[in-house]
Order: sequence, then structure tokens, then C-alpha cells
Amino acid sequence: EAGVAQSPRYKIIEKRQSVAFWCNPISGHATLYWYQQILGQGPKLLIQFQNNGVVDDSQLPKDRFSAERLKGVDSTLKIQPAKLEDSAVYLCASSFLGATQYFGPGTRLLVL
Amino acid sequence: RKEVEQDPGPFNVPEGATVAFNCTYSNSASQSFFWYRQDCRKEPKLLMSVYSSGNEDGRFTAQLNRASQYISLLIRDSKLSDSATYLCVVNAGNQFYFGTGTSLTVIP
Repeated sequence: EAGVAQSPRYKIIEKRQSVAFWCNPISGHATLYWYQQILGQGPKLLIQFQNNGVVDDSQLPKDRFSAERLKGVDSTLKIQPAKLEDSAVYLCASSFLGATQYFGPGTRLLVL
Repeated sequence: RKEVEQDPGPFNVPEGATVAFNCTYSNSASQSFFWYRQDCRKEPKLLMSVYSSGNEDGRFTAQLNRASQYISLLIRDSKLSDSATYLCVVNAGNQFYFGTGTSLTVIP
């Protein structure tokens, strides 16, 4: 069974630029999560989708972050404009009916 | 107060030692509990779920104490390959909350 796919794996941008991340969950997993993990910390949930609807985006900085999952499968997370403090690993995870989460390899973002 | 709290360590133990990690959670309505393992520069991977009756998987034993709102992970006969960060995860209201992780290094 294929795992959660993410791209790109690494991204370096300058502050105030825009960046987008892509995630393809495990087939059949209705729930998709985007997490931000800063070095030395645990993952922090940014947004959770159930199919194409948002379940929780309370910790998403909506002035600069946006995410969508239009067809209930793939998802994109965008940052516009990026700040230095956005440097982190962005992890996508999926689960079947909110059970065990399976994580993708993550995208390492460095904002200079 | 954080939803999930863990001692970040680091724990440095010799091979063959037994080591235990604890994690406390604040939401008494939490429904499910997990331990994830995260290797350096890798994604978290499920180590084991934690059940009220406690559960064991080889050298790993997880326990849940709902009254005191903590979960524990015991690793017996530590191997070098156990070196990683162990994340405590709690599900409450269909939301997952992660601890900051406990770093373990097993020394030859």
C-alpha cells in the first residue's frame, strides 16, 4: 500500500515570498491533516479536513496560510507571504475515519 | 496549560537498560492515546496505541491511567536502534494533540 506522498521535500525561499506544498493521502483515507513541526517541538496541527470539508483550522494563521482539498483527495497548503518563523517541517498525515494517523515524509521549509 | 506534556529528556541509557517515559494530558474527555516514534529528520510513525487495560508489544509496554491522566511507555532491554524521539499523542474531540517528545539515546 502506498503511503502518504508529499512534495517538494525541501524548499528554500526568501521572506515575503510565497510557497505551496502538496499532499496525496493514502487511498481511501477521508481525514487529512497538515502539521507544522518546528525543530525541537512536537507537531502542531494547522488544519484538519474530513473529505473536502474543514474540521478544524483554529491554529492556522489565516492571514498568511491557506489550505484546500477541493476534491476530497489531494491537498495543498500555501504560505503567502512567508516569514522567518515559518521555517519548519510541514507534515501531512491521513487517517481512516479519524483513527491511526500515517504521516508523509514532510517538506522542510527554510525561510531566509 | 498544554494539552499534552512530556519530559523532553534527553534520556541517555546503556544498551540493555530499561527506560520509562511518562506523559500527562489535561483533557479528561480524551478518548484515545498513542505513542509515536520519530527518528531524526524523519516523520513520526506509530509505535503503539495505548489501551485502558495496558498493552505490550515485545519489549514495549504502554499503560494508561485515566484517573491520574497520564500514559507511560516502558522499553525493556534497550537496543541501539531504539534511539529516537518518542511522542505522546492524545485524541480528544476528534483532534490529535502531540507532546513535544522525549529524546532517547541508547549508548553502546
